[in-house]
Amino acid sequence: QLQVVQSGTEVKKPGSSVKVSCKASGGTFSMYAISWVRQAPRQGLEWMGGIIPISGTRNYAQKFQGRVTITADESTSTVYMELSGLGSGDTAVYYCAITTSLQVYGDTVRDYGMDVWGLGTTVTVSS
Amino acid sequence: DIQMTQSPSSLSASVGDRLTITCRASQSISTYLNWYQHKPGKAPQLLIYAASTLQSGVPSRFSGSGSGTDFTLTISSLQPEDFATYYCQQSYTMPYSFGQGTKLQIK
Repeated sequence: QLQVVQSGTEVKKPGSSVKVSCKASGGTFSMYAISWVRQAPRQGLEWMGGIIPISGTRNYAQKFQGRVTITADESTSTVYMELSGLGSGDTAVYYCAITTSLQVYGDTVRDYGMDVWGLGTTVTVSS
Repeated sequence: DIQMTQSPSSLSASVGDRLTITCRASQSISTYLNWYQHKPGKAPQLLIYAASTLQSGVPSRFSGSGSGTDFTLTISSLQPEDFATYYCQQSYTMPYSFGQGTKLQIK
């Protein structure tokens, strides 16, 4: 059964960067879609971006374009999310979320929901 | 990018009530619509995928319907453990997007 473990709590200064990891075990990592979703205090869920290792697909929400980078290390089944230019608005819980029911036909992706989630990584941005 | 709009944003209900949450997409997403339940301090949980398919282990009192741009999540008889925030999410095309959430509270 697929399980994911995220890296631990981070406290960062404004203007700095944070890199959060998500390590998967018990599944075929490269066949999944891995998304990063965050929830700021008193806010809803927000999709930041995602990667599909088997197809090389990578996509980011417009809001985070230029500030977020998602990478995958297939040798260790680990996905990383790096967010730069941190501000107080980036204080949030960051979740790694995996879609295991995925079909990829060339450029077409059929994603049937994020069914495995990490427990979240709290990132606090404070001077 | 596709925008997802949920209504209502909050709802008060009692145990045993039947309720419906709606979700509208800014363009057609076929049936690539998923519903999640989120409780404070926990990871979100996938309830329904492909608009109407119940995720394994999810109680049958949850159901979903819709296609194109309009979707609904129905809980047939509310249980105490159902009080949470519910989100719709489109997986038709990246960038994916969530609705703003519906917070379900005890009346």
